[in-house]
Amino acid sequence: LAKTTQPISMDSYEGQEVNITCSHNNIATNDYITWYQQFPSQGPRFIIQGYKTKVTNEVASLFIPADRKSSTLSLPRVSLSDTAVYYCLVETSGTYKYIFGTGTRLKVLA
Amino acid sequence: GAVVSQHPSWVICKSGTSVKIECRSLDFQATTMFWYRQFPKQSLMLMATSNEGSKATYEQGVEKDKFLINHASLTLSTLTVTSAHPEDSSFYICSAGGHGDDSPLHFGNGTRLTVT
Repeated sequence: LAKTTQPISMDSYEGQEVNITCSHNNIATNDYITWYQQFPSQGPRFIIQGYKTKVTNEVASLFIPADRKSSTLSLPRVSLSDTAVYYCLVETSGTYKYIFGTGTRLKVLA
Repeated sequence: GAVVSQHPSWVICKSGTSVKIECRSLDFQATTMFWYRQFPKQSLMLMATSNEGSKATYEQGVEKDKFLINHASLTLSTLTVTSAHPEDSSFYICSAGGHGDDSPLHFGNGTRLTVT
């Protein structure tokens, strides 16, 4: 099973870059890695998705090493409004199921 | 981008009654949708996989007679919580998409169910 493991929580200050790493040792060859942001009482919101190397969009970058057993979400210059829970999600090998890990609770301080 | 709409966003019901939650894919067809439940300060827990035109697949420990899922069209799945009890109070979230090259899973905004 493509179980994901992330740090439970992280604190950061406004304006800093935040890197959240997720391990997914059993990722299957064809699986993509997707990151989501969730605010209280809302559904998870898509941030970024990647397969290998580096992907960048207007809000984040995603770094994936060659072995794809981990990935790092990078949030440049976070603000207070980035306080949320961040999840990495990988399809559970060939089952078309998506099992969430604990997520990382990011708290951005002023 | 792909949008998943969930309705209602919140509902309060009395013990013993049933509640139906709708999940719609607004700009794409979804043969498969997923239902999750989330308790406060916890992660999302997959309840079941909803398959268009066939029976849903339930995760271990989820009562299929308690949580009825119907996926009658390519854009609509419904979750009915039957004979609701206070312990069924939770945040229910549906999702659709995924499973295909670079197609990510998209989530509805959730339904807060409170059973009194």
